[in-house]
Amino acid sequence: AQTVTQSQPEMSVQEAETVTLSCTYDTSESDYYLFWYKQPPSRQMILVIRQEAYKQQNATENRFSVNFQKAAKSFSLKISDSQLGDAAMYFCAYLARWGAQKLVFGQGTRLTINP
Amino acid sequence: DTGVSQNPRHKITKRGQNVTFRCDPISEHNRLYWYRQTLGQGPEFLTYFQNEAQLEKSRLLSDRFSAERPKGSFSTLEIQRTEQGDSAMYLCASSHSGGGAFVETQYFGPGTRLLVL
Repeated sequence: AQTVTQSQPEMSVQEAETVTLSCTYDTSESDYYLFWYKQPPSRQMILVIRQEAYKQQNATENRFSVNFQKAAKSFSLKISDSQLGDAAMYFCAYLARWGAQKLVFGQGTRLTINP
Repeated sequence: DTGVSQNPRHKITKRGQNVTFRCDPISEHNRLYWYRQTLGQGPEFLTYFQNEAQLEKSRLLSDRFSAERPKGSFSTLEIQRTEQGDSAMYLCASSHSGGGAFVETQYFGPGTRLLVL
């Protein structure tokens, strides 16, 4: 079975600084997708960024970028120029390309932005 | 608002009672998913539908749980004889699949928070 591990329960960063959230996963599949979702307090989960495993190029969405290391099964999220609105729980998630379309989530990292 | 909606947003019930939650997906989405999230944890998959067909059920979905999507649009999740361990956030998500292996992003609703006393 696939597993996703986020080893940082909490992280904090100064406003306008850069922070990196870690994620590792375990799978025997070769074709899959990885996601970072953001869940603000009492609000719904929204997609931050998505990476296809067959693509070597790291995904980027404005201030958000990933460092995808397929051999190491590592998928970290970098947030540049952190803003107060980035404060949230961040979840790393895995989805196999074939078979059941179920996301497997990590335990989450709570990110605090210090003004 | 054309996002995923869930009702009710909060539900408090007594142990042993039955509860039903509703999810309305994004209108053109043919896939619908249910997840459960306990405090401080990531969501865990419960079940998913493609149109009206329930294609996968997690072992977490005991026989007290039943989900339906009768016309391939909205879905309901019913928990019978609730237990305190059922207290959690129940999340619904939807996506569109055009066939093949192309994966569409799952979009989440705000969730229904259940508290069983």
